Order: sequence, then structure tokens, then C-alpha cells
Amino acid sequence: SQTIHQWPATLVQPVGSPLSLECTVEGTSNPNLYWYRQAAGRGLQLLFYSVGIGQISSEVPQNLSASRPQDRQFILSSKKLLLSDSGFYLCAWSVWGGGDTGELFFGEGSRLTVL
Amino acid sequence: SQKIEQNSEALNIQEGKTATLTCNYTNYSPAYLQWYRQDPGRGPVFLLLIRENEKEKRKERLKVTFDTTLKQSLFHITASQPADSATYLCALDEAGSYQLTFGKGTKLSVIP
Repeated sequence: SQTIHQWPATLVQPVGSPLSLECTVEGTSNPNLYWYRQAAGRGLQLLFYSVGIGQISSEVPQNLSASRPQDRQFILSSKKLLLSDSGFYLCAWSVWGGGDTGELFFGEGSRLTVL
Repeated sequence: SQKIEQNSEALNIQEGKTATLTCNYTNYSPAYLQWYRQDPGRGPVFLLLIRENEKEKRKERLKVTFDTTLKQSLFHITASQPADSATYLCALDEAGSYQLTFGKGTKLSVIP
């Protein structure tokens, strides 16, 4: 069966510090991978998605970046965090095509507080 | 601009009653509409998917309808239980894209 791991679960970072969140998927090949952010009182906002290694699409201009160094690994990074980067970050995967219809399977999330 | 609206931020309902949640959208031509459940501090969990050519889909106590003319989906939980208390999110894709866009969700509280 497929599983998704996301870490760290919680982190508190000062403004201006770097960020790295990591996500790995097991049990599936060539998944589409996604990073969403959920800020307090707001909906899920799509940040990045990837349909393959090295292929990253950005939905929102920001000081965050994403990378996909391996088929089932997705990394969210920042060189300098802002207060507005605080939120609940969720990694997800899906498979499209061949009868699959793109349901998203989410990780447990990473709660980031920037102080 | 494209918009997904869920009718209310919060909905309180008595145990045993049917909960009905609404999702409206504008300026989308979705191939699918999906519903998710999210518990506090957790990632959303997929519940049901309905295709554009389907009117209704059922799964146990859950029922989803999809009206592409009205641009609306209704999500029903029959015989609601306190364990159904959670935030419910609707999501849809633009046909041909790999992206799901979510509504802000409706927080359902089932009162014993």
C-alpha cells in the first residue's frame, strides 16, 4: 500500500532563517506531488506541484521554492523565512490517468511558526 | 475570476439528523468534484469523487450530488454522529489540469 511521510511535524523558526520540509512517498511510481499551505482561518492554497523529477510548477509567487530530486521525494525550501510564511504545510500525492482520477493523499502536515 | 464557495463556515446539527453541505463554484469547468474530511491538526482525507457526467454518488451514509448547470455540489451525511464532526472541504479541478483547488471548508459539529 502507498504511504506518505512528511517531516518535521512541528518547527519554530526565527524570521530570516532557512527552511527545509521533506516529503517522501512509498508504494507508487511517478506520482504527481504537491505542496499546499493552510494558514489560520484560510483554505488550502496550492504552492507547488510536480509531474516528474525536476519538473516544478509554482502557483503563487513567494520566497519559497520546491525541488524534486527523486521520483518520490519532494522538498519545500526557503532561504529566508518571513512572518507570513507561518502555517500548516501539507504534502500530497496523486495519480492521474488510466482510470485514476487524481484523488489527493495527504501527509500529516508540518506546522511552521515563524517568530 | 475563479471561485469556490462553501455555504457556511460552521454548521451545527443534532445527532441523527441529515447534514447538508453546499459547494458552489464559478468560472470552472471541472471534470471531477471531490470531497474531503479534515480533522484538527491533520491532513485532509479523501471521501468521495463525482464526475461531471454523474448526478449522484453514494458511499455508506454519504451522498454527493453534482449539478453542472447550477455549478453546485451538495454533500449529505445521513444519520449523523458526533464522530462526523470535522471540517469538510470540496475541491475541483479544471478539466485537463493536474491541480485541485479547495474551498475553505465547512466545520460540522454534530451535537449529541
